[in-house]
Amino acid sequence: EPEVTQTPSHQVTQMGQEVILRCVPISNHLYFYWYRQILGQKVEFLVSFYNNEISEKSEIFDDQFSVERPDGSNFTLKIRSTKLEDSAMYFCASRAGPFTDTQYFGPGTRLTVL
Amino acid sequence: GESVGLHLPTLSVQEGDNSIINCAYSNSASDYFIWYKQESGKGPQFIIDIRSNMDKRQGQRVTVLLNKTVKHLSLQIAATQPGDSAVYFCAENKDYKLSFGAGTTVTVRA
Repeated sequence: EPEVTQTPSHQVTQMGQEVILRCVPISNHLYFYWYRQILGQKVEFLVSFYNNEISEKSEIFDDQFSVERPDGSNFTLKIRSTKLEDSAMYFCASRAGPFTDTQYFGPGTRLTVL
Repeated sequence: GESVGLHLPTLSVQEGDNSIINCAYSNSASDYFIWYKQESGKGPQFIIDIRSNMDKRQGQRVTVLLNKTVKHLSLQIAATQPGDSAVYFCAENKDYKLSFGAGTTVTVRA
């Protein structure tokens, strides 16, 4: 069964450093998402992406965040200058097309900012 | 603000019994709801969904009920098994942004 994959599973970084979280959505899916989950809290929407551009973003997704689909398979989330409060699980999700609703999630990347 | 929430943070159930997990939502404009299961160290896994033009939908061992009058959503798991132990989230799909509730941790007792 096709699935969303994410790398790395755990990323430890120093405050102020840049990190790139990587995702490989399900093949042939067209819509991509990033969510985050701070420990013990709800899963929160960050950004949606379609046709090589951001469709929508939340208040969390400020200028420190960016997303990119550098090739036909990867979807990345970059945090330019990490802060302590960026520590969270980051989930990538993908959705097949305009007439499907289900978002399928990857296993997540645990980001720890020291 | 409008939000999606769950009634109880934890649920302990005897193996073989039925489980009922509840969720209240406040956005009356929501038209699509999903239940996700999250096991430790994994991402949310789709269980079942329901549109607002329905009040019940059944899957394999799971049933989702939607009561739009009181803005209430529930997930019923029949014959709960040890593998059902996880955190369960209801989510509201609005413009394809998922808004998640806080989650209910289900523990299955042998």
